[in-house]
Formats: sequence, structure tokens, C-alpha cells
Amino acid sequence: KAGVTQTPRYLIKTRGQQVTLSCSPISGHRSVSWYQQTPGQGLQFLFEYFSETQRNKGNFPGRFSGRQFSNSRSEMNVSTLELGDSALYLCASSFYPGLTAPALHFGNGTRLTVT
Amino acid sequence: KNQVEQSPQSLIILEGKNCTLQCNYTVSPFSNLRWYKQDTGRGPVSLTIMTFSENTKSNGRYTATLDADTKQSSLHITASQLSDSASYICVVSATRYKLSFGAGTTVTVRA
Repeated sequence: KAGVTQTPRYLIKTRGQQVTLSCSPISGHRSVSWYQQTPGQGLQFLFEYFSETQRNKGNFPGRFSGRQFSNSRSEMNVSTLELGDSALYLCASSFYPGLTAPALHFGNGTRLTVT
Repeated sequence: KNQVEQSPQSLIILEGKNCTLQCNYTVSPFSNLRWYKQDTGRGPVSLTIMTFSENTKSNGRYTATLDADTKQSSLHITASQLSDSASYICVVSATRYKLSFGAGTTVTVRA
């Protein structure tokens, strides 16, 4: 069974631009969550989607948004990029809704650099 | 206040030696605790899950322990190999929608 696929792997953007990241979950998984990982802050939860609905949201500004499609694929959008948005963005899928108990299956992330 | 504290921040060990990583948490209520291994350039992969009633669980050369009374967990790596070089992240689940992440311990195994 194919794992979680994130595209693109690397991205370089300029301040003020916007960016869209894509995540394809493991087949059959309907829950997709997004995380930002930086050396200083570690993993931080952005939001979670299940059945095309956002079920939970972390403490990030409104510039960070996402959506989920009927095939469970998800996209994350960051508008008006800031230097501090440079990070590894990880997507994870799981079979059940919510974030507890089942293991999160992570993709290999998208490395975003904002210059 | 960070609810999950991991120590040490990093460590270097020689191949074949053992090491122990610590995770202290203040998350409440407690649902479960997972250890993830993250290789450089890859996403984290779950190693073990500990629930309230479990004290010890092994996954090959990895052994996790949990003391729910003191809210401490450890991950012991036995007979380390070069492939154990990675970041190890402790993740504690409270309610269904609340995960708390540790900052991770970076392990470097030297030949």
C-alpha cells in the first residue's frame, strides 16, 4: 500500500507570495492532519480534516488554510508568506477521525523556504 | 508552558552501545503516549504506543516504558546501529483532539 505522498518536496518562495501544498493520504484513510516543523518549535499542529470538514485547528493565523477533497486528498495554503513561515510542512493520515489512539502516518514533507 | 519535555536534546553514542531517552509530561487527562522516529529528510514513523495500563513495550531493539504516576516515559535503544541515527519524538494524547509534541531528541550513532 502506498504511503502518504506530499508534493512538492521543496519550494522556494518570496515574502508576500502565497503557496499551496498537496497531500495524498494512504488509500482508505479519511483523516488528514497538517503540521509545521521547525528546529526551534518542533512539531506544531495546524489543522485536521475528516470527510471534507475541518475538525480541529491549531493556533496559527488565518493566513494558513486548508481543504480536503472528496477523495480525501488535502491541500494547505499559506498566503502572504513571511520569513518565519520557512519550515518543513508535514501531512499525516489516519483511518479514524480525531488525533488520538491510531498512529499518524506521515508523509516526507514539503520543505518551504521563504526569502 | 510546554507540556512535554524531552531530554537530552541530543546525544552521541558509539555503535553497539545502549542509550535511554526521557520524556516527561504534564498533559492531563492522559490517553496514550507514542514514540516516533524521524530520519533526516523523512516524516516521523511510530515506534510504540503506551496506554495508561502499560508499563513496558518493546519493538525490536526499542523498549519504551511508562510510569503514569510520575508522568514519565523512556525509550531505550539496545545495541545501537548506525541506522538508529535519527530524531525521536514523544507525543502525548490527552482528549481525542489534543496532541502534545515534545521537541525531540537527536541521536547520532558513530562507528
